[in-house]
Amino acid sequence: DTAVSQTPKYLVTQMGNDKSIKCEQNLGHDTMYWYKQDSKKFLKIMFSYNNKELIINETVPNRFSPKSPDKAHLNLHINSLELGDSAVYFCASSQQLAIGIEQYFGPGTRLTVT
Amino acid sequence: GIQVEQSPPDLILQEGANSTLRCNFSDSVNNLQWFHQNPWGQLINLFYIPSGTKQNGRLSATTVATERYSLLYISSSQTTDSGVYFCAVLGGGGNKLTFGTGTQLKVEL
Repeated sequence: DTAVSQTPKYLVTQMGNDKSIKCEQNLGHDTMYWYKQDSKKFLKIMFSYNNKELIINETVPNRFSPKSPDKAHLNLHINSLELGDSAVYFCASSQQLAIGIEQYFGPGTRLTVT
Repeated sequence: GIQVEQSPPDLILQEGANSTLRCNFSDSVNNLQWFHQNPWGQLINLFYIPSGTKQNGRLSATTVATERYSLLYISSSQTTDSGVYFCAVLGGGGNKLTFGTGTQLKVEL
């Protein structure tokens, strides 16, 4: 009965490759997010989708492309991976895109680019 | 954008000790959450507390929105409390959670 799940949990790949991370939530939420946690553990939002529509795009390189096939899924595709993309990526969801709404986080995907 | 500062940045406790972690924010907020990131990297929701006081077992949190701070109290700490504690706020008219830099807690036997 996992609320927010991500696959894979770990991803090791070489520079220049293209990879995807998948996220699914079974909470019936309308809004989903991607956050990046860097090596200093700083967490920052990357994208937000509400009902499959892109709402927030926080100055992320266009090598990163989120895709939301339906409300319950938000995948993150990364082209031409760079060393600096190594980080932990967290997916999250909330009931709706509104102020004052609690967000729930997935377990994270640790991406290592060599 | 809104600024979120946490203190202390690092904390070492003996098992059984109590502690208070602080989160200051620079603007009014509509949402404040406390998270615990355990040593395995999982982010665990502790509290959703835009204002007032809540308690859950040995943990409690208080947010004084008018004075722009929140406190997380840990009583009778255990080694399993180790990890990083983050506060995150949603405010300043935006729809994104802004995280603080975290408090790294280590509880020793």
